[in-house]
Amino acid sequence: SQQGEEDPQALSIQEGENATMNCSYKTSINNLQWYRQNSGRGLVHLILIRSNEREKHSGRLRVTLDTSKKSSSLLITASRAADTASYFCATGALGGSRLTFGEGTQLTVNP
Amino acid sequence: DTEVTQTPKHLVMGMTNKKSLKCEQHMGHRAMYWYKQKAKKPPELMFVYSYEKLSINESVPSRFSPECPNSSLLNLHLHALQPEDSALYLCASSQPGLAGGRGTGELFFGEGSRLTVL
Repeated sequence: SQQGEEDPQALSIQEGENATMNCSYKTSINNLQWYRQNSGRGLVHLILIRSNEREKHSGRLRVTLDTSKKSSSLLITASRAADTASYFCATGALGGSRLTFGEGTQLTVNP
Repeated sequence: DTEVTQTPKHLVMGMTNKKSLKCEQHMGHRAMYWYKQKAKKPPELMFVYSYEKLSINESVPSRFSPECPNSSLLNLHLHALQPEDSALYLCASSQPGLAGGRGTGELFFGEGSRLTVL
């Protein structure tokens, strides 16, 4: 079953604006990860947040995790045209090696 | 550049053909994965190998046969596929499940093999 659901499904913004994507999941997790995929390419890992963490930063990325609401958000600040891609959250179940991906958000950053 | 190499990048095959997808990594990772991805959909897990042993098979049809000859290589053998099996097949690697049951860490993906079944 699909673990993560993301919204919005698609997001179009102007360069320099911030982009926020949300992810919800159903079961208890060890960690939550975000990945980026450029069209037709492989996925690239962006950031991992553990279940006992609430917020994490990496460059222009900020991730929050609310385990009580089973949700996470990814904020990309000062977006660039090169940020145009699909963004997926992925959850790792407790004690397992299965990483399950959400439906993804297609982000378009217009120059 | 990705450190997981997948070949071929593109493959077209008929329903009676036998072909293989190959994946190689030299990061010392002991967990390797096959994912299938249809257009505009998320990757779906197919198989997981941990220390060269198959640890997860997500009820994948037997026309897909994985093989892990050693810690660096992962193959996916294809036989008698259907047109609906056309997709992007992604290989990934990682360190095995983190200590203390802390789950799976970062996956490193290859660029994928785009398979078309006629």
